[in-house]
Amino acid sequence: DAKTTQPPSMDCAEGRAANLPCNHSTISGNEYVYWYRQIHSQGPQYIIHGLKNNETNEMASLIITEDRKSSTLILPHATLRDTAVYYCIVGNQGGKLIFGQGTELSVKP
Amino acid sequence: DGGITQSPKYLFRKEGQNVTLSCEQNLNHDAMYWYRQDPGQGLRLIYYSQIVNDFQKGDIAEGYSVSREKKESFPLTVTSAQKNPTAFYLCASREDRGGNQPQHFGDGTRLSIL
Repeated sequence: DAKTTQPPSMDCAEGRAANLPCNHSTISGNEYVYWYRQIHSQGPQYIIHGLKNNETNEMASLIITEDRKSSTLILPHATLRDTAVYYCIVGNQGGKLIFGQGTELSVKP
Repeated sequence: DGGITQSPKYLFRKEGQNVTLSCEQNLNHDAMYWYRQDPGQGLRLIYYSQIVNDFQKGDIAEGYSVSREKKESFPLTVTSAQKNPTAFYLCASREDRGGNQPQHFGDGTRLSIL
C-alpha cells in the first residue's frame, strides 16, 4: 500500500503557482520524499526529492513540514505543459518506490 | 529520460507466447527496476536488480522473469503464465551510491494481447 495520501485532482490557472499537497504521516526517519510526474503514455519524470530541508531546483520547490508528516510541491509559474499526474512517494536506500494514485493536475488557460 | 531506452514501444502477443521487453541504460547505473502500470493506476514493482547477476522479486513477480547479465541491460520476459499481461511496462534505473538518488524512467512499452 502507498504510504502517501494525495488529492485525486486539482486545477490551476496558467501562470499561477500550483501547490500540490501530500500527507505521509507514517514516514520513517531515513525515508526521503520524492516527487515524480507522468504525462499520458510516457514514463514518470523525476522532479525533486528531499529528506527534511526544503529543496529547490529548476523545475519546482519542495516544502517539508518540520515533523515531516506532510509536504508540498510548488510549481511557481504553471504552464499548460505542466498538466500531468503528480506522484508523491516516500522511500529509502533500498530504492523501492511505492506509487499511489497521484494527483491529476490540470492547468487551464 | 535520456539514457534509458525501452523497446519496442508497442508489442503484441498471442495467447500462450512468451515475449521479452528490452531495457538498456547508458548511465552506468547500478540498480534497475521493472514496473507495471494498468489504466488509471499507479506503478507496481515486478522485479529489481541492484547488481549484475542478482535480482529480487517485487510485489507482482508471478508470470514474469528477468536476467541481469550486463550492467546496462535488464530484459523482462512476460511468460504465458501471466494471465493478464496487457499493461504499460516501465523500466527504471538508479545510481546506487548510498545517497537516495532517484530512479529515472524510460518511456515504456505498451503490451497488448491479440
